Amino acid sequence: DVKVTQSSRYLVKRTGEKVFLECVQDMDHENMFWYRQDPGLGLRLIYFSYDVKMKEKGDIPEGYSVSREKKERFSLILESASTNQTSMYLCASSYRGMNSPLHFGNGTRLTVT
Amino acid sequence: AQSVSQHNHHVILSEAASLELGCNYSYGGTVNLFWYVQYPGQHLQLLLKYFSGDPLVKGIKGFEAEFIKSKFSFNLRKPSVQWSDTAEYFCAVNEPGYQKVTFGTGTKLQVIP
Repeated sequence: DVKVTQSSRYLVKRTGEKVFLECVQDMDHENMFWYRQDPGLGLRLIYFSYDVKMKEKGDIPEGYSVSREKKERFSLILESASTNQTSMYLCASSYRGMNSPLHFGNGTRLTVT
Repeated sequence: AQSVSQHNHHVILSEAASLELGCNYSYGGTVNLFWYVQYPGQHLQLLLKYFSGDPLVKGIKGFEAEFIKSKFSFNLRKPSVQWSDTAEYFCAVNEPGYQKVTFGTGTKLQVIP
């Protein structure tokens, strides 16, 4: 069974801090994704990566960056956390190809104070 | 850009009632369609998917969905809901030629025993 592991379940950070959210998958998936989930807004794509060192902006990339140095690991970076980045962050992975479903991690609930 | 609309934000049903959740997407070409479910405290997981062929697809736990191309719709149905179906349901679309997956805003289903 596919396992997508997010390093933290809960995080509390202060405004202006640099924040790293880590995600690891164990199924050799080419694609990895970062979404944020907010009530009433559903899931919004921040960034995704279809290969090592490759990345594409999603719908809301502002204030975020990503890193994919190894195939199994995809990091989301908040360069300078702000209160409007308080949210649930979901990592997902999939095989390359339109018909490959996403496999999600359990999420990281980030609170920025 | 692709968009996905889920018109029902919160649905409350009694056990054994029938369920239909609406999903409409904006792209007119070939698409792949998904329904994902998030049970309380759990990660998002695939409920069912449509790629081609029979427009009526069956998923896990007695759910089914019908793809109607002329209406750009992919509605989720279940003839008789159970208390354990209480969850949030998300419709998603794969953007053609692209690895990106766009989600709707989600529908919270509450089933009353």
